[in-house]
Amino acid sequence: GAVVSQHPSRVICKSGTSVKIECRSLDFQATTMFWYRQFPKQSLMLMATSNEGSKATYEQGVEKDKFLINHASLTLSTLTVTSAHPEDSSFYICSARVQGTGNPGELFFGEGSRLTVL
Amino acid sequence: DAKTTQPTSMDCAEGRAANLPCNHSTISGNEYVYWYRQIHSQGPQYIIHGLKNNETNEMASLIITEDRKSSTLILPHATLRDTAVYYCIVGYNFGNEKLTFGTGTRLTIIP
Repeated sequence: GAVVSQHPSRVICKSGTSVKIECRSLDFQATTMFWYRQFPKQSLMLMATSNEGSKATYEQGVEKDKFLINHASLTLSTLTVTSAHPEDSSFYICSARVQGTGNPGELFFGEGSRLTVL
Repeated sequence: DAKTTQPTSMDCAEGRAANLPCNHSTISGNEYVYWYRQIHSQGPQYIIHGLKNNETNEMASLIITEDRKSSTLILPHATLRDTAVYYCIVGYNFGNEKLTFGTGTRLTIIP
C-alpha cells in the first residue's frame, strides 16, 4: 500500500521554541493531507486539512497562528508548532489519500511524531 | 460526518473470532464505513472499508446491515498482535474528505 512518512518520530524541545514536523507521501501524490493530534489515552483529533498550494483549513478551536501548516509540494506538508509550551506535548500524526483515482479508498497514516516540550 | 458508537472495550480469546460492533444510525447514502486500528504509539492502520456490500480482505471481514445503520468487523482468528484500539468511522470517499475519529474499542486478545 501507499506509504506516508513523518520526521522526526520523536522530538524534545524547550518551552518557547518552535518545532517543525514533516509529512511526506513517498510513492504517491497528495494534494490534501490531514494533521491529527492525540493526547495520552485519547482518540485522534483532527487539527487541520493541508491543501497543496493554498492555505490550510483549521478545525474549530485550533489556533492557526500556533500551528503553522505549509503544503508546498504534492508530496510534502509541514506542521510547525510555534512557541511550544508543555501543553503542546502530544502525538502528532499526518495522513493522506492517493489522489487522482475514482475510488481513493483508505487514508494512509504516518508513523506519528511525539513532541515533548520541557 | 455521521457519528459512530462503539463499545469501550472487549476481550477475545486467542485463536477465536473477534467481532467488533459499530452503530452508525445517521449514516448518509454516500458515506462509507471505514475501520482502522491503532497499536500503542503508532499511527493508525487501515483495515477495511465498504459502502453497502460485505467486504473481505486478508485482514478482516466487514459485515454491513441492510439498512446500513450498523456494521461488524470480524477478525477471523485473533492473535496477540491484534490487541489494539479499533476505530469505526463513517465518511465520504473523496480524496480531500476528512475522517473524524471517535473513541474506538480497545480490543484485548487473551492468551
